[in-house]
Amino acid sequence: KNQVEQSPQSLIILEGKNCTLQCNYTVSPFSNLRWYKQDTGRGPVSLTIMTFSENTKSNGRYTATLDADTKQSSLHITASQLSDSASYICVVSAEGGSNYKLTFGKGTLLTVNP
Amino acid sequence: NAGVTQTPKFQVLKTGQSMTLQCAQDMNHNSMYWYRQDPGMGLRLIYYSASEGTTDKGEVPNGYNVSRLNKREFSLRLESAAPSQTSVYFCASSGTYQETQYFGPGTRLLVL
Repeated sequence: KNQVEQSPQSLIILEGKNCTLQCNYTVSPFSNLRWYKQDTGRGPVSLTIMTFSENTKSNGRYTATLDADTKQSSLHITASQLSDSASYICVVSAEGGSNYKLTFGKGTLLTVNP
Repeated sequence: NAGVTQTPKFQVLKTGQSMTLQCAQDMNHNSMYWYRQDPGMGLRLIYYSASEGTTDKGEVPNGYNVSRLNKREFSLRLESAAPSQTSVYFCASSGTYQETQYFGPGTRLLVL
């Protein structure tokens, strides 16, 4: 069964500090991996989407890494800001023609305190 | 561009009542989706439409029906609401399912 596990479930850091969120998956055959940010009370917003051949992808202070061999991804946030407080969701897509094959993680809730 | 819009933003229903959640996108996307999000459960797919004229069941379709009215609009209907359907409902769209999905702001539904 395809699964996406995220850790930690929640994380509290101080403003200005860096942090790394983890995503492990067992989805096969792999197509791509996405990270979304979801602010409280809002819909998720895409941060990055990475294919098999991409090891690293950045979006401002957000850097995602992918190790397709170990089936692990991480999202690194640099110099955190209060506005980074949100839930971060890892989503993995499997190959399969036109059929829907997305598996969602349950998210990591990040709180950035002043 | 408004992106993905959803109506209503919030709704309270009594058990057994029916309602339709509306979703529209202005990005000319082929694929549209309905998810529900419950605490501790993450996002779960209810139904999706890979292209105009097609719909398919997702992970949790029981108690729901959908209509892909045209390329822009995808509605979700609850025929007889139950308290277990209390949730936040998100509509999303993408070019294809392999591409980034764009989510709407959500509809908060409370069934008493």
